[in-house]
Amino acid sequence: KQEVTQIPAALSVPEGENLVLNCSFTDSAIYNLQWFRQDPGKGLTSLLLIQSSQREQTSGRLNASLDKSSGRSTLYIAASQPGDSATYLCAVPLPGGTGFQKLVFGTGTRLLVSP
Amino acid sequence: KAGVTQTPRYLIKTRGQQVTLSCSPISGHRSVSWYQQTPGQGLQFLFEYFSETQRNKGNFPGRFSGRQFSNSRSEMNVSTLELGDSALYLCASSAGTGDNEQFFGPGTRLTVL
Repeated sequence: KQEVTQIPAALSVPEGENLVLNCSFTDSAIYNLQWFRQDPGKGLTSLLLIQSSQREQTSGRLNASLDKSSGRSTLYIAASQPGDSATYLCAVPLPGGTGFQKLVFGTGTRLLVSP
Repeated sequence: KAGVTQTPRYLIKTRGQQVTLSCSPISGHRSVSWYQQTPGQGLQFLFEYFSETQRNKGNFPGRFSGRQFSNSRSEMNVSTLELGDSALYLCASSAGTGDNEQFFGPGTRLTVL
């Protein structure tokens, strides 16, 4: 059974800091891994998708890495801003079924960036 | 390109009633998945539809059902509502093939009284 864990559960930093969010998964046979952000009471915004064959993906100030063998992914946020405050979720498709659409989500990291 | 839309955004129902939620995927996407989000259980997969067929199913009772139309729009129905069905219901849209990046709508907040 795939289990996804995110550490820390909450993080509070001053503006400008670089930070790392962690995601661990128990079954390394993943097809891809996706990072999302969620603002309070809102839907999920896709940030980055890393395929199983990739080691890194970058988008602006965000960089996500994937190490399948150790069952870990990290999301690096450079020069954090108050607008980055949100809950960050990682998700992997559950093996089995078809089309790899059934995502298993981590518990999330709630980030607060103070001005 | 328009994003994923969900209607209604908010719903208040009483126990025993039924409810229908709607999701319109991104144009060209053929897969629509539904998720339930609660503070206690987090995000849980309900089911996925691809080309009008249910392709994947989560571990929810039969009171939760769905369907997909030929234009890929999807509806989710919950019958005999219980207090525990109060949640944010999210739908996700993807091509259904290839890299399978999923894009989520704003959600429907359902409150059962």
